[in-house]
Amino acid sequence: QKEVEQNSGPLSVPEGAIASLNCTYSDRGSQSFFWYRQYSGKSPELIMFIYSNGDKEDGRFTAQLNKASQYVSLLIRDSQPSDSATYLCAATGGSWGKFQFGAGTQVVVTP
Amino acid sequence: DGGITQSPKYLFRKEGQNVTLSCEQNLNHDAMYWYRQDPGQGLRLIYYSQIVNDFQKGDIAEGYSVSREKKESFPLTVTSAQKNPTAFYLCASATGWGSNEKLFFGSGTQLSVL
Repeated sequence: QKEVEQNSGPLSVPEGAIASLNCTYSDRGSQSFFWYRQYSGKSPELIMFIYSNGDKEDGRFTAQLNKASQYVSLLIRDSQPSDSATYLCAATGGSWGKFQFGAGTQVVVTP
Repeated sequence: DGGITQSPKYLFRKEGQNVTLSCEQNLNHDAMYWYRQDPGQGLRLIYYSQIVNDFQKGDIAEGYSVSREKKESFPLTVTSAQKNPTAFYLCASATGWGSNEKLFFGSGTQLSVL
């Protein structure tokens, strides 16, 4: 069983709509959660992090964490073609001690 | 400008050859990491170092070696023992401790086999 799981996609989203990305993790001891955006051929860029249950908003991005369900999500509002990328979910602080990454969800925003 | 610099951007390895990937950071971060990314897969940890002159194996250390002689530098050598080295290699450094640790990446090195 993978420690961090994401749907691989592609997730096709019309321009201006909300993109909803999901991530589950297996280690209940995980404490910190991150979303990275990765354009093709480029390195991951940290866009959101969340530590506490609930929502955290930053511009068009909202991260949601539910530790009881071991579930993290990322919402992208008013999606733009520039949001087309692969989004990596990561968790840390669990029994493995180091960052664990999901395989990523590819998002395609269509004009 | 502060950041993490990886070089070269592209690297080609011949059969039986060792190659070294460079990673330098001027962010004054204590912890540094090497990840490997294969197409359609997540990041897999090769080695990490939390302080100078100390490093630990990650999940896929076989066929790789590292050194941490300076805080700013964490080079990765891909040895001839690594039979499938073609991948995108990412160096990262981390700020904060424990649950406050945040990971930031360099621009990556694409390694291919000739």
